[in-house]
Amino acid sequence: AQSVAQPEDQVNVAEGNPLTVKCTYSVSGNPYLFWYVQYPNRGLQFLLKYITGDNLVKGSYGFEAEFNKSQTSFHLKKPSALVSDSALYFCAVRARGGATNKLIFGTGTLLAVQP
Amino acid sequence: EAGVAQSPRYKIIEKRQSVAFWCNPISGHATLYWYQQILGQGPKLLIQFQNNGVVDDSQLPKDRFSAERLKGVDSTLKIQPAKLEDSAVYLCASSLELRTDTQYFGPGTRLTVL
Repeated sequence: AQSVAQPEDQVNVAEGNPLTVKCTYSVSGNPYLFWYVQYPNRGLQFLLKYITGDNLVKGSYGFEAEFNKSQTSFHLKKPSALVSDSALYFCAVRARGGATNKLIFGTGTLLAVQP
Repeated sequence: EAGVAQSPRYKIIEKRQSVAFWCNPISGHATLYWYQQILGQGPKLLIQFQNNGVVDDSQLPKDRFSAERLKGVDSTLKIQPAKLEDSAVYLCASSLELRTDTQYFGPGTRLTVL
């Protein structure tokens, strides 16, 4: 069965410092991996995805993520955090070759950036 | 380009009442999804449509939940009768194609069942 783990409920970082939000996954075969961000009372906004190719994926708002097949991880990173990055971040996975586009989401990580 | 539209944004009902949510996907998107997001959890897929056909409804509680997508555009999700545990945010998403394409989400409908 497919699953996603986000081991940290909350990540605290000072503005200007680098940030990492962790994600590990379990899926049969090679995965498609996604990161979404959710601001209060808003829907999920797409940040980036890994489908194939370069393991380092660049996305919106200066975020990037690195696919590591051996560690089954897809950690989200940003070199310099902004207060406006404070939000709830979700990692999601789907298996290749499935009949549907069903995404399995993690439980989310709350990112708090202090000024 | 307009995003996914949903209404209402908020709904409060009493248990055993019925409720309906509406979704209008991004223009041209063939695939539409309904997710349930309970507080403190990630979204969980309820049902997925490809045009007006159901692709996956394996996690839809069919004794009380129903959904339709007439004409392959707008969709309605209904709960009848509602239970306390149905309190959640109901998210609609759409994608251009069924397989690798990115899903784009609407703002959601927050349902409170008293």
